[in-house]
Amino acid sequence: DVQMTQSPSSLSASVGGRVTISCRASQTITNSVNWYQQRPGKAPRLLIYGASNLKSGVPSRFRGGGSGTYFTLTITSLQPEDFATYSCQYSDSFGQGTKLE
Amino acid sequence: EVQLEQSGGGLVHPGGSLRLSCAASGFTLRSHWIHWVRQRPGKGLEWVSRITIDGSTRFADSVNGRFTISRDDTRNTLYLQMNSLRAEDTAVYYCARDEGAGTPLDFWGQGTLVTVSS
Repeated sequence: DVQMTQSPSSLSASVGGRVTISCRASQTITNSVNWYQQRPGKAPRLLIYGASNLKSGVPSRFRGGGSGTYFTLTITSLQPEDFATYSCQYSDSFGQGTKLE
Repeated sequence: EVQLEQSGGGLVHPGGSLRLSCAASGFTLRSHWIHWVRQRPGKGLEWVSRITIDGSTRFADSVNGRFTISRDDTRNTLYLQMNSLRAEDTAVYYCARDEGAGTPLDFWGQGTLVTVSS
C-alpha cells in the first residue's frame, strides 16, 4: 500500500505570508492526490483534488502541485481563517497533517 | 443540499460493541462510495473502511474482522458496526462520500466521538 509522508507537522506563519506543505508518496502514484483543511472540532473540508484542481468556492490563494512521488499545497496571502490543519490524501492513505499556526 | 448526518457514538467498555449511523440527504447513498475515516485524539486522519456502489467492502488491517459495514437503501443510511472494541479505537469517526476510486472525499459528516474505556 502507498504511504503518504507529510511535512512539516507544524508551521508558523503570519497573516499575509506564504507557506508550502509537502506530501511524499512511498512510490510513484497518479495525480489523484487531494488536500483537506480541518478547523478544530470540525470535519475536514476538501480544498484541492487531482493534485492541482481547486474545488469550487475555495479561494485561489490555495494552490496544489506536484507529480510522481512529491506533491505540495501552497497558500499565499494567508488570511486569519487559513490557520488550521491541512492533510493530504491518496487512496486510503492520509498524511499525518500539518498544523498551521 | 447534500448532507451526511451522523449518530451513534458514545462511551463503551473494552470488548463492547457500538453501531454508528450515517444518514444521507440530498443524494442517493447507494450511488456513491462511502468511507469511514477516524481521528484519534490529537492525531491525523486514518482511513477505516469503505463500501462501493455494488456493496463491496474493505477495511483497514487495524479493524478487519471486528468492524462491518451495512447499508439500508430504504433509509438512505449507512451503518458501521464496531465489535470487540479496544482503547485504541477511541476516536472521532467521520463518514464521507466520493465518486469512486481516485476521486476525492467531497462531503463529510459532522463526526461522532467513540470512547472506549473502562
